[in-house]
Amino acid sequence: QSVLTQPPSASGTPGQRVTISCSGTGSNIGDNYVYWYQQFPGTAPKLLIYRDDLRPSGVPDRFSASKSGTSASLAISGLRSGDEAHYYCAAWDNRLSGQVVFGGGTKLTVL
Amino acid sequence: VQLEESGPGLVKPSQTLSLTCSVSGASISDPSFYWSWVRQAAGKGLEWIGRVYITGTTDYNPSLNGRVAISLDTSKSQFSLILHSLTAADTAVYYCARGSPDVFQAFDYWGRGTLVSVSS
Repeated sequence: QSVLTQPPSASGTPGQRVTISCSGTGSNIGDNYVYWYQQFPGTAPKLLIYRDDLRPSGVPDRFSASKSGTSASLAISGLRSGDEAHYYCAAWDNRLSGQVVFGGGTKLTVL
Repeated sequence: VQLEESGPGLVKPSQTLSLTCSVSGASISDPSFYWSWVRQAAGKGLEWIGRVYITGTTDYNPSLNGRVAISLDTSKSQFSLILHSLTAADTAVYYCARGSPDVFQAFDYWGRGTLVSVSS
């Protein structure tokens, strides 16, 4: 069971806006930055969002994110078939000696 | 920047896994960065294994119960993962990744991953 909680699946039709939630606690999301990664089947994850809501260069502004308290969310607007992938949230967790924790991942299906 | 994992694809239970990540296009000696291992069992999510800084400082996932060690070899521009006492639960794709201050310590570059199967 993952430390951060994500819905296992999400879906939308082309052009729609979808959001994916990520729930944590005060020791991770509540006290540290949130990151989002996109992963296509058989490939390595790719950084999508860092420092809660910033996009690396090359990531379209259709992708946005926010954080409030111990929860975060990723939003994808103008949904495209090429967005169909797994999305993972991540954060540092202060418990014990500290560690990176991931959400269980959300499979986004474009209908 | 490129990272590439290498190591055995098949290891027997109770044995020790040794993986290497070769880094090119970036200095592994740069104190700004850290170097991590992340794994993913088939059909499952991502699991952080640990990280190492050029200073030698390491952090590990507590769930691995002290079975893991990560080290750097600056002369070869490589970092390595050692995982002891393997079980079938350690079967996964193992990724190496770089943590960067440019993206507030996120993983900005990843290797393609290497599949490790633990089986007799």
